[in-house]
Amino acid sequence: TQLLEQSPQFLSIQEGENLTVYCNSSSVFSSLQWYRQEPGEGPVLLVTVVTGGEVKKLKRLTFQFGDARKDSSLHITAAQPGDTGLYLCAGVLNTGNQFYFGTGTSLTVIP
Amino acid sequence: NAGVMQNPRHLVRRRGQEARLRCSPMKGHSHVYWYRQLPEEGLKFMVYLQKENIIDESGMPKERFSAEFPKEGPSILRIQQVVRGDSAAYFCASSRQANTEAFFGQGTRLTVV
Repeated sequence: TQLLEQSPQFLSIQEGENLTVYCNSSSVFSSLQWYRQEPGEGPVLLVTVVTGGEVKKLKRLTFQFGDARKDSSLHITAAQPGDTGLYLCAGVLNTGNQFYFGTGTSLTVIP
Repeated sequence: NAGVMQNPRHLVRRRGQEARLRCSPMKGHSHVYWYRQLPEEGLKFMVYLQKENIIDESGMPKERFSAEFPKEGPSILRIQQVVRGDSAAYFCASSRQANTEAFFGQGTRLTVV
């Protein structure tokens, strides 16, 4: 069973559109990270959220950690072709020793 | 993530050979994590090490796979007697403290022929 479920799995949108990616779990996490991975490369850390209800903004990207620290969302405003990639959420359980990765969302932004 | 160095980037091995993957963490980081990624799949945890100690190896196959992180030098993921099913991208990440932000290397792509 997958600890973190992401949705949608695949997303193809036109340049300029907005989108939201969801990362859900029934478990509580002490922190949650979002990464973006491009083909042939390693995941690049975008943000870490640690407090329930926390909202962080990174230019056109807005990240939110759920109040109960079980879920998170990534919202992209006015998507650009450069946003294309695989978006991964990863969480650390309160009692855990590892980062659990989500199933991933593959985003394609069409010019 | 350029601070985490993995080598080689690409490794080709024949069935039955040994594969040794190296990971040098970012400066000041003493926690190392290894993950495996198959095409079109997410990252699967393998092992978590802190200098000279294996903290969690729950994701590592019991046979043929081993990992170490010596006091001096890089962390090594070793796969003995490789099989076709071992073909994958192997990623290493490091963090300054346990379970804080982890930064990834560019991975080693292992192909078993």
